[in-house]
Amino acid sequence: DAGVIQSPRHEVTEMGQEVTLRCKPISGHDYLFWYRQTMMRGLELLIYFNNNVPIDDSGMPEDRFSAKMPNASFSTLKIQPSEPRDSAVYFCASSLTPQGPPLHFGNGTRLTVT
Amino acid sequence: GENVEQHPSTLSVQEGDSAVIKCTYSDSASNYFPWYKQELGKRPQLIIDIRSNVGEKKDQRIAVTLNKTAKHFSLHITETQPEDSAVYFCAAGAHGSARQLTFGSGTQLTVLP
Repeated sequence: DAGVIQSPRHEVTEMGQEVTLRCKPISGHDYLFWYRQTMMRGLELLIYFNNNVPIDDSGMPEDRFSAKMPNASFSTLKIQPSEPRDSAVYFCASSLTPQGPPLHFGNGTRLTVT
Repeated sequence: GENVEQHPSTLSVQEGDSAVIKCTYSDSASNYFPWYKQELGKRPQLIIDIRSNVGEKKDQRIAVTLNKTAKHFSLHITETQPEDSAVYFCAAGAHGSARQLTFGSGTQLTVLP
């Protein structure tokens, strides 16, 4: 199994641009999570899906952020418009239950907004 | 909701010494406590976990203890090695529920040669 696959690995964009992050979970995993990691705030859960349905999006910072899961093998996290404070590493994770074990994390996308 | 606090935020130890990281949680319904290790530039990975029906679990040089009454759990690393240097995250969850894991804020462990 290739594990959770995220793309791109690095993204550099200018303030105001739209950014789309992509994730392919492990086949058979019913749960998919999007996390944001920064030095100041640590590992924050943004949203998670169960069987492609968003269950808890209370961690999504504001309306500029949106996430979709059109099918069991693909999810996107979109930021529009992007701001410098969105700079962070974004991780996607998948698992069989809400707690794992374990949560299988992807390699992350390092986003830099200038 | 659940609140997990983790201490210390940074920890430096000499190679060969022991390291202890502590976490507290607030929700008595939590019954599952994993620890994740994140090496620099890499993804978090599960290293050990414990369920509420046991008080301690060991795996070679790492161990986790749980005190349900006090609502705290700890990670112990003995005979530390440079490759133990990483950020460690504790988490709390409730197996069998729809509630996702709540992570602590992380501890940067540095093992000095």
